[in-house]
Amino acid sequence: AQSVSQHNHHVILSEAASLELGCNYSYGGTVNLFWYVQYPGQHLQLLLKYFSGDPLVKGIKGFEAEFIKSKFSFNLRKPSVQWSDTAEYFCAVNEGNTGKLIFGQGTTLQVKP
Amino acid sequence: DVKVTQSSRYLVKRTGEKVFLECVQDMDHENMFWYRQDPGLGLRLIYFSYDVKMKEKGDIPEGYSVSREKKERFSLILESASTNQTSMYLCASSTYSLGFGANEQYFGPGTRLTVT
Repeated sequence: AQSVSQHNHHVILSEAASLELGCNYSYGGTVNLFWYVQYPGQHLQLLLKYFSGDPLVKGIKGFEAEFIKSKFSFNLRKPSVQWSDTAEYFCAVNEGNTGKLIFGQGTTLQVKP
Repeated sequence: DVKVTQSSRYLVKRTGEKVFLECVQDMDHENMFWYRQDPGLGLRLIYFSYDVKMKEKGDIPEGYSVSREKKERFSLILESASTNQTSMYLCASSTYSLGFGANEQYFGPGTRLTVT
């Protein structure tokens, strides 16, 4: 069965530190990849997505992610985090051509002011 | 503005009760989904629907059923609530993916259900 793995479960950073959250998936076919964010008390919203083309994808709020096909990875990065980035982050990948998404376990990011 | 609404933000029910969670989307999306979100487990798919009256089981359908009588509305039913169904329930919708993977899903605010 397909799976998505987020290696960092809980990350604590100081403001202005750089961020990289790992995401690996198991599906070997054509992939659509997503990063979602859930701020405290808010609903899940899309940070960025990759369908095809340039493997370096830019999203909202200064986030970016790089699709590395050979490594089955789609890591999320931000050069300088802010306190307002404190949230839970989820990586997701399509389950074949079903229209469904498989989500990782989530990474809780805590940014200290 | 894209919108997915859920009938309740917080719900407290007793063991054995029948529970209805309602979800409505205003984007004319074909696909609708019900997930439960638990700490350390991410989002797990309960049921999804590709069209009116169409439904398919997700990864954890036991103890749940769904209903989709209209395109914009997707209901999750807990036939006989149990304490292990205490969780955050998220509804989502997306456009039909035409067999080329999956499109972005739009999420509602969630319903935090407590079963006592």
